[in-house]
Amino acid sequence: IQMTQSPSALSASIGDRITITCRASQSIDSSLAWYQQRPGKAPDLLIYEASSLHSGVPSRFSASAFRSGTEFTLTITSLQPDDFATYYCQQYYLYPLTFGGGTRVEIE
Amino acid sequence: QVQLQESGPGLVKPSETLSLTCVVSDYSISSGYYWGWIRQPPGQGLDWIGTIYHSGTTHYNPSLKSRVTISVDTSKNHFSLSLSPVTAADTAVYYCARRQFPGGFDYWGQGALVTVSS
Repeated sequence: IQMTQSPSALSASIGDRITITCRASQSIDSSLAWYQQRPGKAPDLLIYEASSLHSGVPSRFSASAFRSGTEFTLTITSLQPDDFATYYCQQYYLYPLTFGGGTRVEIE
Repeated sequence: QVQLQESGPGLVKPSETLSLTCVVSDYSISSGYYWGWIRQPPGQGLDWIGTIYHSGTTHYNPSLKSRVTISVDTSKNHFSLSLSPVTAADTAVYYCARRQFPGGFDYWGQGALVTVSS
């Protein structure tokens, strides 16, 4: 299953609201996770089951599913300095597990 | 707090075998969950390599299946990755991680850079 993220990069300012989209090449129900990766660090799980917030993740992160399990969004409200990172989606509906290409969020 | 730590050589020669071990702390592998390896070539995205259950059941990425073996040693509470033969294209940071079921990878090691070069 191919996962396509858009945009590949975006520029934003502190306090902005941003949305990242992830599209699956076929329906994956709600079998989707979102990760944040800061430079030089391992990814951190943010969201699982398409919209469930992982323990300890701030509530400014939210996610949704659309179009019968093929389109997903990650929204960050009120961007904070720590949020400037790369974000990945990942499907676990079928093996092989696959990741999106990533979205780099940069400071404007 | 579950902790994972990768260990192994940072430099491997082409055509040889890449071997990494992931030691798990503060959680017994025998208790459940899936355990996986993910890699990230320099400046690129994440690629899933494979996953193992404590019983030894494995799933591999078909793109690597003929070259990869993942094993688990519950007595030592660690799991291992073997990739052979390697080429320069296998140069990457290799992460081990625990996979929720269902769900994503919730605990990760810090990553181990492995360079394939003569």
